[in-house]
Amino acid sequence: QKEVEQNSGPLSVPEGAIASLNCTYSDRGSQSFFWYRQYSGKSPELIMSIYSNGDKEDGRFTAQLNKASQYVSLLIRDSQPSDSATYLCAVTGSNYQLIWGAGTKLIIKP
Amino acid sequence: ETGVTQTPRHLVMGMTNKKSLKCEQHLGHNAMYWYKQSAKKPLELMFVYNFKEQTENNSVPSRFSPECPNSSHLFLHLHTLQPEDSALYLCASSQDPGLTVDHGYTFGSGTRLTVV
Repeated sequence: QKEVEQNSGPLSVPEGAIASLNCTYSDRGSQSFFWYRQYSGKSPELIMSIYSNGDKEDGRFTAQLNKASQYVSLLIRDSQPSDSATYLCAVTGSNYQLIWGAGTKLIIKP
Repeated sequence: ETGVTQTPRHLVMGMTNKKSLKCEQHLGHNAMYWYKQSAKKPLELMFVYNFKEQTENNSVPSRFSPECPNSSHLFLHLHTLQPEDSALYLCASSQDPGLTVDHGYTFGSGTRLTVV
């Protein structure tokens, strides 16, 4: 059973601090990795994708991938209350379909 | 509005009812998906359609019946559901199903289904 594991949280972070979200996956053959944000009562929206080991930055967001250790993380710098949401990690399985984690709830405290 | 429209937004149905969920995308995508999202559980892939042909059926009970008349429209027909089927049902689309999904999936707003 291919799995993606995330701490369900909630993760509480002060406004302006760095929020660090982590995800581990079991399928060593996974090639593509995604972070989605889902606000309460809304649908998931893609915020970052990463395919190669290392860091990928996009504005306040940085995705980090370590295939040897089978983890992917998302850093949010200068956290804002509007970043409060559930963050879903997804990785591609052997058939290229996405395997999803259950999500980490992030709360940014003003 | 994401480009993927789902109706209805909310649905309450009895266990003997028949209802249908509708999804429409105007993104020119070739693949469409039905997902089930239950509280504190990962998204569960139900069905995949590629160029309106079903390519995945992840052991979904027959009380859920998908229909894809063209690559822009997707339906999920529901009949004799159980209370445990209550969940958020999400439709998504992507350019193609088998690639690395560079741009990810675009999700609709979902249908919140309650079975009583």
